[in-house]
Amino acid sequence: KQEVTQIPAALSVPEGENLVLNCSFTDSAIYNLQWFRQDPGKGLTSLLLIQSSQREQTSGRLNASLDKSSGRSTLYIAASQPGDSATYLCAVSPSSGNTPLVFGKGTRLSVIA
Amino acid sequence: DTGVSQDPRHKITKRGQNVTFRCDPISEHNRLYWYRQTLGQGPEFLTYFQNEAQLEKSRLLSDRFSAERPKGSFSTLEIQRTEQGDSAMYLCASSLAGAGYEQYFGPGTRLTVT
Repeated sequence: KQEVTQIPAALSVPEGENLVLNCSFTDSAIYNLQWFRQDPGKGLTSLLLIQSSQREQTSGRLNASLDKSSGRSTLYIAASQPGDSATYLCAVSPSSGNTPLVFGKGTRLSVIA
Repeated sequence: DTGVSQDPRHKITKRGQNVTFRCDPISEHNRLYWYRQTLGQGPEFLTYFQNEAQLEKSRLLSDRFSAERPKGSFSTLEIQRTEQGDSAMYLCASSLAGAGYEQYFGPGTRLTVT
């Protein structure tokens, strides 16, 4: 059974700092991995999607990497801003793409001005 | 707005009552998913459809839960005889099979059972 773990559970950083969020998964046979952002009481916003054949994806100040063989992904946020404060969720889609996402519990990020 | 929409956004009900939620996916998406999220946890899968066919149901989906997707468009999730443990955020997502399967989520329906 696939399990996804995110470390740390919570993180507080001063504005402007670069930071890394970690995600690990137990079964390396994945189809893709998605990083989401969730603001309190809201739905999920997709940030980045990495297919299993890819090593990384970039969008603006965000960069996500994937090491499928070791079961790890990182989300790098450059020059953090108070508006980045949210919960960041990692989710994997098992191998065929025909089964639903398995989520981690998320990392709650606070960026202090 | 061409994203995933859900209605209602909030629902407060008394224990034992039935509730129904609606999800409208992105129009060209053939897959629709329901997830449940409790406080401090990641979303957990409940069920999903490809077009009008319900392809998989989680063991979390007890007999009190039923979902439909008539005509492969919008979907409804009904909870009968609600319990306090049903209080959660119910999230709907859609995707296009064969196009990377990237899932797009709606704003969710917050259910509170008193």
